[in-house]
Formats: sequence, C-alpha cells, structure tokens
Amino acid sequence: DTGVSQDPRHKITKRGQNVTFRCDPISEHNRLYWYRQTLGQGPEFLTYFQNEAQLEKSRLLSDRFSAERPKGSFSTLEIQRTEQGDSAMYLCASSLQGTSQETQYFGPGTRLLVL
Amino acid sequence: KQEVTQIPAALSVPEGENLVLNCSFTDSAIYNLQWFRQDPGKGLTSLLLIQSSQREQTSGRLNASLDKSSGRSTLYIAASQPGDSATYLCAVYGNNRLAFGKGNQVVVIP
Repeated sequence: DTGVSQDPRHKITKRGQNVTFRCDPISEHNRLYWYRQTLGQGPEFLTYFQNEAQLEKSRLLSDRFSAERPKGSFSTLEIQRTEQGDSAMYLCASSLQGTSQETQYFGPGTRLLVL
Repeated sequence: KQEVTQIPAALSVPEGENLVLNCSFTDSAIYNLQWFRQDPGKGLTSLLLIQSSQREQTSGRLNASLDKSSGRSTLYIAASQPGDSATYLCAVYGNNRLAFGKGNQVVVIP
C-alpha cells in the first residue's frame, strides 16, 4: 500500500492554457474523490467516482473542467482555458465503499498557479 | 447544504498545555466525522474518524468527541508539543462527500 499519489505536485501555467492532473488511488479502493482548496479555506468537493462511473459533480465544476476514471483505477482532472481563479490546491482522495468506517485517504495534492 | 464551522480560527499555546478545538455542523444527518491535520502546502493526514453511532475516539494524545444531536465535535490534544503545530480540519461525511470547516491553525510555542 503506497497511499494515494498525485502528479504533478506543482503546476504553473499561463491563463488560457489547458492542464491535466493525475491521481492514483490506493489500489483496492473503489471510490475516488476530487476536492479543491484555496488559501485559508477548507477543501471543497468537486466530483466523485464509484469504479469508473462519475456519479456526481459539484456546481463548482464548470464546463471547463472534466474528470475521468477510465478503468476504475487512476483518474485525471483536466481544466481547459485556465483562469486565474482556478489557482488552488487540487486534492484527490480514495476510499473503500461499504466498509464500516469508509475513511477517505488523501494524496499530497497538486498546487496550480495560473498567471 | 451542510455548513461546518471551526472555532477558533487560530490559536497559540505554550508547549505542554492541552489543546481544545471545536467544530460545529448544521445537518446532523452524517455518516461519520473525521479530523485531519494539514501542514503548510501539504495534503491531509487523517487523525481520527468517529462513526455517527459513536461518542468518541482516542488515539494516543488525541481524543475526539461527537454529539450528533447538537451538531458538535471537539478534538482534544493532550500535553501539546511544537510538532503539533499545524492546521486541523474537521470534516463531516454525508451525501457521498466530505464537507470541511476552514480549520483551526495551531501554533505550539516551545
């Protein structure tokens, strides 16, 4: 068990560019979540997957955002035409649904800065 | 919509003192409550998870209580150490997501 990993850890981009982040969950976990955290705030829910199915998306996830989990393993989050307001820490978490505790385990995050 | 509030937003304590961090939430229909630790620029580390049917959980110097009916949880850290300096986040799980407070930023002064 190597924990949840995210790549890249840091990304600096210019406004208008597209960026893609990757999350590798704990291997046996069937649920995968994306959250966004801005400075001084707690993380906010963006979306979650059960296996490969994306079951819910927050209103925060505009049409410039898309997330996939093609084989029910790793997930990608893409932001098209980035804006300065997209600057934030993007956190991924995974859990094993159906267990008694269903603890969410978080990755180290990807910090995005849009110039 | 679930609202989670953490008070105080920031606090400093001398080393050795006990820490008391408070969390309140508006919707009592929760599955569980988790306390996390976050160091600057880092991800979240889970400290304790309390199921909705439980009243408290303990791990080492940490103890968390849950009063679901009143929508409150308290995290106690005994005999604080400088290494406890961090932001502590409370999160409630319900409706297939975690809802977080803004955190308690803690500084333990040697």
